[in-house]
Amino acid sequence: NAGVTQTPKFRILKIGQSMTLQCTQDMNHNYMYWYRQDPGMGLKLIYYSVGAGITDKGEVPNGYNVSRSTTEDFPLRLELAAPSQTSVYFCASSYPTGGSYNEQFFGPGTRLTVL
Amino acid sequence: GNSVTQMEGPVTLSEEAFLTINCTYTATGYPSLFWYVQYPGEGLQLLLKATKADDKGSNKGFEATYRKETTSFHLEKGSVQVSDSAVYFCALGNNAGNMLTFGGGTRLMVKP
Repeated sequence: NAGVTQTPKFRILKIGQSMTLQCTQDMNHNYMYWYRQDPGMGLKLIYYSVGAGITDKGEVPNGYNVSRSTTEDFPLRLELAAPSQTSVYFCASSYPTGGSYNEQFFGPGTRLTVL
Repeated sequence: GNSVTQMEGPVTLSEEAFLTINCTYTATGYPSLFWYVQYPGEGLQLLLKATKADDKGSNKGFEATYRKETTSFHLEKGSVQVSDSAVYFCALGNNAGNMLTFGGGTRLMVKP
């Protein structure tokens, strides 16, 4: 299993450009998540998905969009990049069993700089 | 709502020193508690977990005990190594089992 994979690893954007961060998992997990991690800070949830065709906003969704057409893929779209979106983006997945077991599996991250 | 508070870093220790990173939480019900570790340039990895009060999670020499009476889940290691240098995140799971709330992270630097 490759686990959770993310592309690209690094990207520099100009203000106003758009891009899509890719995330794929091969563990057949139903839940997938996008977080951002600002320097010296914890993780903030941007969007999450409970299964194909279903997405919902997290704590900081403004400026982002997501889609979930398959179980495996959960791309994150930035439409009009702004310097405030400079961050490291992590994708994660999990398979909640309905109990108290919440372990999430993380990808290696995408480091995005907007200039 | 749920929240997690960690001691601020960086924490700088010499090799073989004893490590404690404090973590306290606010939550309703009986959440699961986690410690994740992030090595430089990498994503987060689960280090250990505890799913009910008085449980002790352990892995790679690290331990943490779920203390409901003090709402704490402090991370400890008896003898740190340079390779333990990383950022450590305490996290709390919601009752539905589908969300994590993370603390701000604590950077640990271990000097030889």
